[in-house]
Amino acid sequence: AQSVTQLGSHVSVSEGALVLLRCNYSSSVPPYLFWYVQYPNQGLQLLLKYTSAATLVKGINGFEAEFKKSETSFHLTKPSAHMSDAAEYFCAVSDVYSSASKIIFGSGTRLSIRP
Amino acid sequence: EADIYQTPRYLVIGTGKKITLECSQTMGHDKMYWYQQDPGMELHLIHYSYGVNSTEKGDLSSESTVSRIRTEHFPLTLESARPSHTSQYLCASSDRSYNSPLHFGNGTRLTVT
Repeated sequence: AQSVTQLGSHVSVSEGALVLLRCNYSSSVPPYLFWYVQYPNQGLQLLLKYTSAATLVKGINGFEAEFKKSETSFHLTKPSAHMSDAAEYFCAVSDVYSSASKIIFGSGTRLSIRP
Repeated sequence: EADIYQTPRYLVIGTGKKITLECSQTMGHDKMYWYQQDPGMELHLIHYSYGVNSTEKGDLSSESTVSRIRTEHFPLTLESARPSHTSQYLCASSDRSYNSPLHFGNGTRLTVT
């Protein structure tokens, strides 16, 4: 079965600092991977997705993620954090073994930004 | 511009009441999903649908039921609400391919007193 693990339920960085949110996946086939962001009292919004076209994926709001097969990782980064980046972030994998193409989510990482 | 709509946004209701959470999408997506999100923010799939007249239970057991009579509409019903049903419910949709992302509504926050 496919799964994702997000390391760190809460990450806090200073404004202007590098943001690094960690995600490791488990899959015996090339995975389809996603990062979503959730702002308070809202649904999830797609940040970026990996579909094997390129290992470095750029998303919205200055975020990017690098697919590393050797490390089974898909970490999310942003060079310089803004206060508006404070939110919950979810890594997800598409379950290609499911005929319903279910998306399996990690447990989420809450990002806080210190002034 | 919202392509997937959930109503109501907030609902406070007494134990034993029947409720229906509405979800509609305008993108013509075949697949639709209901997730329950607990206070720790983790998402649990409770129902999904491949298309009209198709519904399946998800990974988390739920006392709710769903229907899919029209492509754009995927309501969730609780016949008798209980305090344990208090949660945030998120509806989502996607097209058929495995690499298609989910499009989420803004959720319904349900409180059962």
